[in-house]
Amino acid sequence: GAVVSQHPSWVICKSGTSVKIECRSLDFQATTMFWYRQFPKQSLMLMATSNEGSKATYEQGVEKDKFLINHASLTLSTLTVTSAHPEDSSFYICSARRQYSNQPQHFGDGTRLSIL
Amino acid sequence: AQSVSQHNHHVILSEAASLELGCNYSYGGTVNLFWYVQYPGQHLQLLLKYFSGDPLVKGIKGFEAEFIKSKFSFNLRKPSVQWSDTAEYFCAVNKPPEWGSSNTGKLIFGQGTTLQVKP
Repeated sequence: GAVVSQHPSWVICKSGTSVKIECRSLDFQATTMFWYRQFPKQSLMLMATSNEGSKATYEQGVEKDKFLINHASLTLSTLTVTSAHPEDSSFYICSARRQYSNQPQHFGDGTRLSIL
Repeated sequence: AQSVSQHNHHVILSEAASLELGCNYSYGGTVNLFWYVQYPGQHLQLLLKYFSGDPLVKGIKGFEAEFIKSKFSFNLRKPSVQWSDTAEYFCAVNKPPEWGSSNTGKLIFGQGTTLQVKP
């Protein structure tokens, strides 16, 4: 089945550093990828929609300068948390949908980000 | 605004008990409906989906869901739960994506239901 790989799975870093998270669709092309944030015991909150070859679409209240998204190819999207602070600590999850399809999204394993 | 509501936040059942998790959505027009499951320490997995056709859909692991359009509901059911069904369950809805438009088919998730099955 379709697989989405997310890397790293866990990162701990100091406040003020930038962290890049990669999301790859391993066996299909994905024009659109999605980035979510999940707080403990809560649902997934959509942060932005990543579009290959164009700018990402951010949800209301999400700082685009804080969470930089690059979708450089049909199989890779990256989320960079810039100048991370403790309040950015969270579980970040990406998903991808097969190009030009109405099929369900496939989710990565998530990245647990801890900012000290 | 579009929203998805799951009524049960935390459900505790004994093995072999029947399960029904409620999901209601507010969305006009055609929608796709999904149930995802997140086992402890694992990624979200698709349990089942409804796009069109028979409103009673069967998914993996003995789960099924019924789409009732008049009630804007998509409740998840399983006749007999097992300890291994202990997980977080999410209902999600989207509008079918339209190429070349701003509609990317983004998913709106419900709050999630924690299911704990006692052996």
